[in-house]
Amino acid sequence: AQSVAQPEDQVNVAEGNPLTVKCTYSVSGNPYLFWYVQYPNRGLQFLLKYITGDNLVKGSYGFEAEFNKSQTSFHLKKPSALVSDSALYFCAVRGTSGGYNKLIFGAGTRLAVHP
Amino acid sequence: GAGVSQSPSNKVTEKGKDVELRCDPISGHTALYWYRQRLGQGLEFLIYFQGNSAPDKSGLPSDRFSAERTGESVSTLTIQRTQQEDSAVYLCASSPWPTSTGELFFGEGSRLTVL
Repeated sequence: AQSVAQPEDQVNVAEGNPLTVKCTYSVSGNPYLFWYVQYPNRGLQFLLKYITGDNLVKGSYGFEAEFNKSQTSFHLKKPSALVSDSALYFCAVRGTSGGYNKLIFGAGTRLAVHP
Repeated sequence: GAGVSQSPSNKVTEKGKDVELRCDPISGHTALYWYRQRLGQGLEFLIYFQGNSAPDKSGLPSDRFSAERTGESVSTLTIQRTQQEDSAVYLCASSPWPTSTGELFFGEGSRLTVL
């Protein structure tokens, strides 16, 4: 069965420093991987996705993620964090090949960026 | 509409009462999903609609939970005889069909509190 693990409940980083939010996955077949962000009292917003091709995927708000097949990881990164990046981040994997986007989500990682 | 709309945004009810949560997807999106997000946890898949049919109901936690969709548009999630463990944010998402590898578009959720 497909699954996603986000090993860190919270990540703390100083503004201006690089940030990494970790994600590992378990799937059969080729993975379709996603990152979403959730701001307080809001729904989830799509950041980026990996389907195929270049292992480094660029997304919204300056975020990028690196797909590593050998390590089954899809870590979210940003070169320089902003206070406004503070939010809850979810990694997800597409859970079915039935043609629809049933996403299996990780438990989420809270990112706190300090001034 | 411009985005996925959910109502009510907040609902407080007493244990044992029935509740209905509504989702209005993005116009033209024939795929619709319900997820549940308990406090401090990730998202749990509940049900998927393609048009008016629900080919995947695997996430509904008990027979107290049901959902329907009419006119390939609005969906209603009904919880009968609510329990305190039903307290959560219920998120609705939609996507186009057929889908390539696209993301889900989420509403802001309905926060349910069962006293």
